[in-house]
Amino acid sequence: GAVVSQHPSWVICKSGTSVKIECRSLDFQATTMFWYRQFPKQSLMLMATSNEGSKATYEQGVEKDKFLINHASLTLSTLTVTSAHPEDSSFYICSAAGWGGVDEQYFGPGTRLTVT
Amino acid sequence: AQSVTQLDSQVPVFEEAPVELRCNYSSSVSVYLFWYVQYPNQGLQLLLKYLSGSTLVKGINGFEAEFNKSQTSFHLRKPSVHISDTAEYFCAVRGSGGYQKVTFGTGTKLQVIP
Repeated sequence: GAVVSQHPSWVICKSGTSVKIECRSLDFQATTMFWYRQFPKQSLMLMATSNEGSKATYEQGVEKDKFLINHASLTLSTLTVTSAHPEDSSFYICSAAGWGGVDEQYFGPGTRLTVT
Repeated sequence: AQSVTQLDSQVPVFEEAPVELRCNYSSSVSVYLFWYVQYPNQGLQLLLKYLSGSTLVKGINGFEAEFNKSQTSFHLRKPSVHISDTAEYFCAVRGSGGYQKVTFGTGTKLQVIP
Protein backbone atom coordinates (compact mmCIF):
# COMPACT_ATOMS: atom_id res chain seq x y z
CA GLY A 1 0.00 0.00 0.00
CA ALA A 2 0.92 3.65 -0.24
CA VAL A 3 3.34 4.81 2.43
CA VAL A 4 3.83 8.32 3.72
CA SER A 5 6.66 9.18 6.07
CA GLN A 6 7.28 12.18 8.26
CA HIS A 7 10.51 13.45 9.70
CA PRO A 8 11.19 14.06 12.46
CA SER A 9 8.75 12.01 14.49
CA TRP A 10 9.21 14.35 17.42
CA VAL A 11 11.06 17.59 17.95
CA ILE A 12 11.65 19.96 20.82
CA CYS A 13 12.64 23.51 20.04
CA LYS A 14 13.07 26.75 21.92
CA SER A 15 10.60 29.58 21.64
CA GLY A 16 11.49 31.93 18.79
CA THR A 17 13.24 29.36 16.64
CA SER A 18 11.95 27.74 13.46
CA VAL A 19 11.44 24.06 12.80
CA LYS A 20 10.91 22.19 9.55
CA ILE A 21 8.83 19.04 9.20
CA GLU A 22 9.14 16.86 6.11
CA CYS A 23 6.41 14.74 4.57
CA ARG A 24 7.37 12.20 1.91
CA SER A 25 5.35 9.82 -0.22
CA LEU A 26 7.63 6.81 -0.51
CA ASP A 27 6.06 4.73 -3.25
CA PHE A 28 3.74 6.99 -5.18
CA GLN A 29 3.60 10.47 -6.61
CA ALA A 30 1.59 12.81 -4.44
CA THR A 31 -0.06 15.50 -6.49
CA THR A 32 -1.76 16.90 -3.42
CA MET A 33 -0.60 16.96 0.17
CA PHE A 34 -2.50 18.07 3.21
CA TRP A 35 -1.25 19.33 6.56
CA TYR A 36 -3.29 18.81 9.70
CA ARG A 37 -2.87 19.85 13.28
CA GLN A 38 -4.20 17.81 16.16
CA PHE A 39 -4.49 19.06 19.72
CA PRO A 40 -4.60 16.55 22.56
CA LYS A 41 -7.80 14.55 22.63
CA GLN A 42 -9.18 16.49 19.68
CA SER A 43 -9.79 15.88 16.02
CA LEU A 44 -7.64 16.77 13.08
CA MET A 45 -7.92 20.31 11.80
CA LEU A 46 -6.88 20.93 8.23
CA MET A 47 -4.29 23.67 8.03
CA ALA A 48 -3.53 23.81 4.34
CA THR A 49 -3.65 21.99 1.05
CA SER A 50 -0.67 22.02 -1.26
CA ASN A 51 -0.36 20.99 -4.87
CA GLU A 52 3.02 20.25 -6.36
CA GLY A 53 4.61 23.31 -7.86
CA SER A 54 2.03 25.81 -6.67
CA LYS A 55 1.30 27.83 -3.58
CA ALA A 56 -0.50 26.20 -0.72
CA THR A 57 -4.11 27.02 0.05
CA TYR A 58 -4.53 27.82 3.72
CA GLU A 59 -7.64 27.31 5.79
CA GLN A 60 -9.26 30.28 7.41
CA GLY A 61 -7.48 31.31 10.57
CA VAL A 62 -4.16 29.69 9.70
CA GLU A 63 -1.29 32.16 9.48
CA LYS A 64 0.46 31.52 6.19
CA ASP A 65 3.51 33.53 7.24
CA LYS A 66 3.90 31.43 10.34
CA PHE A 67 3.28 28.03 8.81
CA LEU A 68 5.26 27.95 5.58
CA ILE A 69 4.41 25.10 3.27
CA ASN A 70 6.47 24.05 0.29
CA HIS A 71 5.54 21.26 -2.12
CA ALA A 72 8.56 21.29 -4.39
CA SER A 73 8.27 17.80 -5.81
CA LEU A 74 5.75 15.02 -6.25
CA THR A 75 7.17 13.18 -3.27
CA LEU A 76 8.03 15.88 -0.77
CA SER A 77 6.21 18.61 1.09
CA THR A 78 7.59 20.58 4.00
CA LEU A 79 5.96 22.53 6.80
CA THR A 80 8.09 25.15 8.53
CA VAL A 81 6.86 26.60 11.78
CA THR A 82 8.53 29.98 12.02
CA SER A 83 9.24 31.82 15.26
CA ALA A 84 7.65 29.02 17.22
CA HIS A 85 5.85 29.67 20.48
CA PRO A 86 4.61 27.27 23.14
CA GLU A 87 1.08 27.51 21.76
CA ASP A 88 2.37 25.98 18.51
CA SER A 89 3.08 22.77 20.40
CA SER A 90 0.92 20.13 18.80
CA PHE A 91 0.82 16.95 16.76
CA TYR A 92 1.24 17.71 13.06
CA ILE A 93 0.09 15.13 10.54
CA CYS A 94 0.45 15.20 6.78
CA SER A 95 -1.43 13.20 4.22
CA ALA A 96 -0.96 12.66 0.52
CA ALA A 97 -3.15 11.87 -2.44
CA GLY A 98 -1.97 10.61 -5.79
CA TRP A 99 -3.04 10.80 -9.41
CA GLY A 100 -6.01 8.56 -8.81
CA GLY A 101 -7.87 11.23 -6.95
CA VAL A 102 -8.38 12.00 -3.33
CA ASP A 103 -10.97 9.40 -2.51
CA GLU A 104 -8.33 8.18 -0.14
CA GLN A 105 -5.63 10.15 1.58
CA TYR A 106 -2.62 8.31 2.95
CA PHE A 107 -1.53 9.64 6.31
CA GLY A 108 1.93 10.03 7.72
CA PRO A 109 2.72 8.92 11.27
CA GLY A 110 2.74 12.48 12.59
CA THR A 111 5.28 14.78 14.18
CA ARG A 112 5.07 15.80 17.82
CA LEU A 113 6.30 19.38 18.23
CA THR A 114 7.04 20.75 21.67
CA VAL A 115 8.09 24.38 21.99
CA THR A 116 9.71 25.30 25.28
CA ALA B 1 -19.86 22.50 3.33
CA GLN B 2 -20.15 19.38 5.38
CA SER B 3 -19.92 18.37 9.00
CA VAL B 4 -19.51 15.19 10.98
CA THR B 5 -20.90 14.36 14.40
CA GLN B 6 -19.58 11.53 16.51
CA LEU B 7 -22.04 11.31 19.33
CA ASP B 8 -19.89 9.38 21.78
CA SER B 9 -16.54 10.69 22.93
CA GLN B 10 -15.77 7.45 24.78
CA VAL B 11 -17.12 3.93 24.46
CA PRO B 12 -16.07 1.31 27.01
CA VAL B 13 -16.81 -2.27 26.04
CA PHE B 14 -15.78 -5.65 27.36
CA GLU B 15 -13.50 -7.85 25.31
CA GLU B 16 -15.34 -10.12 22.85
CA ALA B 17 -18.50 -8.00 23.09
CA PRO B 18 -19.94 -6.23 20.04
CA VAL B 19 -19.52 -2.52 19.55
CA GLU B 20 -21.08 0.24 17.48
CA LEU B 21 -19.49 3.66 17.07
CA ARG B 22 -21.93 6.22 15.81
CA CYS B 23 -21.36 8.78 13.09
CA ASN B 24 -23.77 11.23 11.51
CA TYR B 25 -22.96 13.68 8.79
CA SER B 26 -24.49 16.60 6.99
CA SER B 27 -23.75 17.74 3.48
CA SER B 28 -25.45 19.53 0.64
CA VAL B 29 -23.77 17.30 -1.94
CA SER B 30 -23.06 13.63 -2.45
CA VAL B 31 -20.38 12.38 -0.12
CA TYR B 32 -17.65 9.88 0.41
CA LEU B 33 -17.40 8.53 3.95
CA PHE B 34 -14.44 7.14 5.84
CA TRP B 35 -13.51 5.61 9.17
CA TYR B 36 -9.94 5.94 10.43
CA VAL B 37 -8.24 4.49 13.49
CA GLN B 38 -5.48 6.23 15.40
CA TYR B 39 -3.29 4.48 17.92
CA PRO B 40 -1.46 6.60 20.53
CA ASN B 41 1.15 8.92 19.04
CA GLN B 42 0.57 7.59 15.57
CA GLY B 43 -1.01 8.81 12.37
CA LEU B 44 -4.31 7.66 10.95
CA GLN B 45 -4.96 4.32 9.34
CA LEU B 46 -7.90 3.82 7.01
CA LEU B 47 -10.36 1.21 8.30
CA LEU B 48 -12.89 1.42 5.51
CA LYS B 49 -14.53 3.77 3.08
CA TYR B 50 -17.80 4.23 1.25
CA LEU B 51 -17.61 5.72 -2.21
CA SER B 52 -20.61 4.19 -3.96
CA GLY B 53 -22.40 0.88 -4.48
CA SER B 54 -23.27 -1.44 -1.64
CA THR B 55 -24.17 0.43 1.51
CA LEU B 56 -22.55 -2.21 3.71
CA VAL B 57 -18.82 -1.74 3.66
CA LYS B 58 -16.34 -4.17 5.13
CA GLY B 59 -12.95 -3.02 6.27
CA ILE B 60 -9.84 -4.26 7.95
CA ASN B 61 -9.61 -5.87 11.39
CA GLY B 62 -13.17 -7.20 11.20
CA PHE B 63 -14.86 -3.81 11.14
CA GLU B 64 -17.80 -2.90 8.95
CA ALA B 65 -19.99 0.14 8.46
CA GLU B 66 -23.33 0.82 6.86
CA PHE B 67 -24.15 3.92 4.91
CA ASN B 68 -27.70 5.09 5.56
CA LYS B 69 -28.52 8.01 3.32
CA SER B 70 -31.97 8.69 4.77
CA GLN B 71 -30.55 8.90 8.28
CA THR B 72 -27.29 10.48 7.13
CA SER B 73 -25.38 7.98 9.20
CA PHE B 74 -22.31 5.81 8.79
CA HIS B 75 -22.04 3.78 11.97
CA LEU B 76 -19.04 1.53 12.55
CA ARG B 77 -19.54 -1.95 13.97
CA LYS B 78 -17.55 -4.95 15.06
CA PRO B 79 -19.17 -8.15 16.34
CA SER B 80 -16.41 -9.04 18.80
CA VAL B 81 -13.73 -6.62 19.95
CA HIS B 82 -10.20 -7.37 21.10
CA ILE B 83 -7.90 -5.55 23.47
CA SER B 84 -5.89 -4.45 20.46
CA ASP B 85 -8.89 -2.50 19.16
CA THR B 86 -8.40 0.06 21.93
CA ALA B 87 -7.76 3.28 20.00
CA GLU B 88 -9.31 6.50 18.79
CA TYR B 89 -11.70 6.21 15.85
CA PHE B 90 -12.48 9.08 13.51
CA CYS B 91 -15.33 9.33 11.07
CA ALA B 92 -14.68 11.59 8.08
CA VAL B 93 -16.58 12.94 5.10
CA ARG B 94 -15.76 14.72 1.89
CA GLY B 95 -17.73 15.79 -1.13
CA SER B 96 -17.65 13.36 -4.03
CA GLY B 97 -16.63 15.82 -6.72
CA GLY B 98 -13.02 16.62 -7.48
CA TYR B 99 -10.50 17.59 -4.87
CA GLN B 100 -12.39 18.47 -1.73
CA LYS B 101 -11.10 18.65 1.78
CA VAL B 102 -11.90 15.95 4.28
CA THR B 103 -13.81 16.93 7.40
CA PHE B 104 -13.19 14.83 10.48
CA GLY B 105 -15.42 14.15 13.43
CA THR B 106 -14.19 14.74 16.95
CA GLY B 107 -13.33 11.10 17.46
CA THR B 108 -14.51 8.26 19.68
CA LYS B 109 -12.17 6.62 22.14
CA LEU B 110 -12.86 2.89 22.18
CA GLN B 111 -11.70 1.34 25.44
CA VAL B 112 -11.77 -2.44 25.44
CA ILE B 113 -11.94 -3.85 28.95
CA PRO B 114 -10.37 -7.26 29.58
